[in-house]
This record gives sequence, C-alpha cells and structure tokens, in this order.
Amino acid sequence: DTEVTQTPKHLVMGMTNKKSLKCEQHMGHRAMYWYKQKAKKPPELMFVYSYEKLSINESVPSRFSPECPNSSLLNLHLHALQPEDSALYLCASSQAVRENEQFFGPGTRLTVL
Amino acid sequence: QKEVEQDPGPLSVPEGAIVSLNCTYSNSAFQYFMWYRQYSRKGPELLMYTYSSGNKEDGRFTAQVDKSSKYISLFIRDSQPSDSATYLCAMNTGFQKLVFGTGTRLLVSP
Repeated sequence: DTEVTQTPKHLVMGMTNKKSLKCEQHMGHRAMYWYKQKAKKPPELMFVYSYEKLSINESVPSRFSPECPNSSLLNLHLHALQPEDSALYLCASSQAVRENEQFFGPGTRLTVL
Repeated sequence: QKEVEQDPGPLSVPEGAIVSLNCTYSNSAFQYFMWYRQYSRKGPELLMYTYSSGNKEDGRFTAQVDKSSKYISLFIRDSQPSDSATYLCAMNTGFQKLVFGTGTRLLVSP
C-alpha cells in the first residue's frame, strides 16, 4: 500500500462548528504532515509529527488542533474557523530517515461559511 | 527575495514537445530537490527526487540540479496532454520542512 488517504474529500462547515479531518497511511512512515493550500499557491506547512510526537508547529492558530493517535493516523480538529480558512488541506507522510520524500494524500477541500 | 523562485506560467506547448521547467533558489544549504506534479483540485504527486548535484532520469522525465548556479530543472520529453498540470519544485536542507516554489502551470495541447 503506497497511498495516503484522507477523509472527507469535501467539507462545508459553519464558523461555530467543530469538525475533524482524518489522514491514514500504511507505508510504515514515521513522519506525518499537515499542509494548507490556497488556490494557485504552493502548500504551506502547518504541523509535523515525528514518531507520533509534534515536532513542528508553524505558528498555526489554536482553532486548528492536530492529533496523532498512532503511527498510521493523523487528525486535524477544527473549531471556530473563519471563512479565510477555506482551502485544500493536505496530509503527507515520509519515512523518518528519508524525510525529504514526502508523499501527499488527495486532500480535503474545506469551505467555511 | 523568495527562497525559491519559479515562473508561474502558463507554459503552453504542442503535444510531443520537450518541456523545460526551472527553479532558482538562494539558500546554498539546500541539499534535497524534488519535483511534484499537481492536477487541478488534487494532492501533489512526487515525480522526481534528487540529492545534491547531477542528473536523474525516470522514463520521459529528467531532473537536473546545478548547485553552483542554484538552479534546478525538470525536462519532459514527448509531452502528452495528460502532462497538463502544475509542476512544483521543492527543496530542503535535510530537515523536515520543504520549501516549495510557486508552481508552473503547464498546458500541452493535442
């Protein structure tokens, strides 16, 4: 299995809602990442988990809360988002040693109303 | 000045043409260089991965890195309409954070 899967594919939420994005990989990778991508822009790193521990937080607002329950799963909990948070949210993973080869999932397209 | 510069395009070519995509960068500590292909509304797909200077070939794709000039290239031979996508270069120093170019949109017409 060489895929990174993400659910849901699309999500529409109001500013008072709480929702979660899910990412899963079964490649034995020990580093997992969340990126945010706006239209016609490159991905922007949000968080990095290495061996299930948060190793990088790129000063992301607290309304985004990551969680890594085990080495295969990565969640992003969303609460009180703003319309400007609407974007494609991408999950990626890499082997802990060869962290440069990052494999991306298809993304969750989030719309905040 | 951005750390990684990439012409956003669009770059329009006829089917069968050789395509050259390029990035320049300013951080001499970058050691690892990648090219991703991203179709509209999809996640990036890793195409090529290169360490340090040199060439790497995979089918119709060739990646070149010239560290002395801080310049990387991706060549696509015999381009196909299915190659129409945005191509992102990415690089890092060996730690986890990738630095991406803005992406070049490629259009290959039949």
